[in-house]
Amino acid sequence: EAGVAQSPRYKIIEKRQSVAFWCNPISGHATLYWYQQILGQGPKLLIQFQNNGVVDDSQLPKDRFSAERLKGVDSTLKIQPAKLEDSAVYLCASSPGTGPAYEQYFGPGTRLTVT
Amino acid sequence: GENVEQHPSTLSVQEGDSAVIKCTYSDSASNYFPWYKQELGKGPQLIIDIRSNVGEKKDQRIAVTLNKTAKHFSLHITETQPEDSAVYFCAFNQGGKLIFGQGTELSVKP
Repeated sequence: EAGVAQSPRYKIIEKRQSVAFWCNPISGHATLYWYQQILGQGPKLLIQFQNNGVVDDSQLPKDRFSAERLKGVDSTLKIQPAKLEDSAVYLCASSPGTGPAYEQYFGPGTRLTVT
Repeated sequence: GENVEQHPSTLSVQEGDSAVIKCTYSDSASNYFPWYKQELGKGPQLIIDIRSNVGEKKDQRIAVTLNKTAKHFSLHITETQPEDSAVYFCAFNQGGKLIFGQGTELSVKP
C-alpha cells in the first residue's frame, strides 16, 4: 500500500511571497489533515477535512493560509503572503475515518524556509 | 484547554538499557493516547496507543501505561537498540483532534 505523498519536499521563499504544498493521501482514506511542525515542537493541526468538507480549521491563520480538497482526494495548502514565522515542516496525514478510533498516517512533510 | 507536557526533552541511554518518557495532559475527557516515533526527514509513525478503559498495553519491547486519575501516561522501551534512536511524541485527543507533546529526542548509544 502506497503511503501519503507530499510535494515538494523542500521549499525556500522570501517573505511576502506565496507558496503551495500538495498532498495525496492513502487511497480510500476519507479524512485528511494538515499539520505545522515548527523545529523542536510537536505537530500542530491546521485543518482537517472529511472527504471534501472542512471539519476543523480553528487553528488555520485564515488571513494568509488556505486549503482545499477538491473531489475528496488530493489537497493543497497555500500560504500568501508568507512570513518568517511560517518556516516549519508542513505535514499531511490521512486516516480511514474521523476520530480517535482511526490511526493517522503521515507523509514525509514539506520543509519550508522563509527568508 | 490544550496542554500536554512531555519529559524529558532529551534522553541518552546505552544499548540494552530501558527508556521511559512521561506525559501529562490537561483534558479529563480525553480517552485516546497514542505515541508516535519520528525519524529524521520522515513523518511521525504510530508505534503504540492506549485507550482510557485500559491501564497498560504492551507490544514486544514497547509498553504504555495510563493513569487517568493523575492524567499522565508513559512510554517504556526495554532492551533499547540503536534503531530506536528518534524523536518520540505523545499525544491525546481533544474532541476530534490530536494534541501533541513537545517531543523527546532519544539517543541509544551502541
